[in-house]
Amino acid sequence: EPEVTQTPSHQVTQMGQEVILRCVPISNHLYFYWYRQILGQKVEFLVSFYNNEISEKSEIFDDQFSVERPDGSNFTLKIRSTKLEDSAMYFCASNGQGVDEQFFGPGTRLTVL
Amino acid sequence: SQQGEEDPQALSIQEGENATMNCSYKTSINNLQWYRQNSGRGLVHLILIRSNEREKHSGRLRVTLDTSKKSSSLLITASRAADTASYFCATAWTGDSNYQLIWGAGTKLIIKP
Repeated sequence: EPEVTQTPSHQVTQMGQEVILRCVPISNHLYFYWYRQILGQKVEFLVSFYNNEISEKSEIFDDQFSVERPDGSNFTLKIRSTKLEDSAMYFCASNGQGVDEQFFGPGTRLTVL
Repeated sequence: SQQGEEDPQALSIQEGENATMNCSYKTSINNLQWYRQNSGRGLVHLILIRSNEREKHSGRLRVTLDTSKKSSSLLITASRAADTASYFCATAWTGDSNYQLIWGAGTKLIIKP
């Protein structure tokens, strides 16, 4: 069964460093998302992406964040200069045209020291 | 503003009993989805109910939706130790394929063997 994959599973970085979180959505899906979950808190929407551009973004998704679909399979989230408060689990999700369910990857746990 | 709010925040029951979790939301929705998350792990889609549906079943899961009260419930019948997890409701307000999910804070369910 096709699934969303994410790498790495855990990323540790120093404050101020850039990180790139990678996702491979399900191959025939068209809509891509990033969400994050700070430990013990609710899941929060960051950004949605369709047709090679951002569809919608939340207040969290400031100019330190960017997304890219560099090729036909990967979907990346870049944080330019990480802060301590960026420590969270980051989930990638995707869905297809006319499909309401969003399929989630296993997440990348980002720890900023 | 917060969209979904689950209650109870935590629920501990004996194996074999039924577990009921509730979710309330504030705005109009197109669909409501329930997800499960094992401790520190990914989000697993359980069931989706559309705004024009009142009840839906999937295996041991039963979901109801009352749009007049802006609330939903998830019932897990004949609970098993493996059902121990956090359960989240998430709402989508648009009928488009491209939409963000707004999440509740979750109910932590513990099934005692």
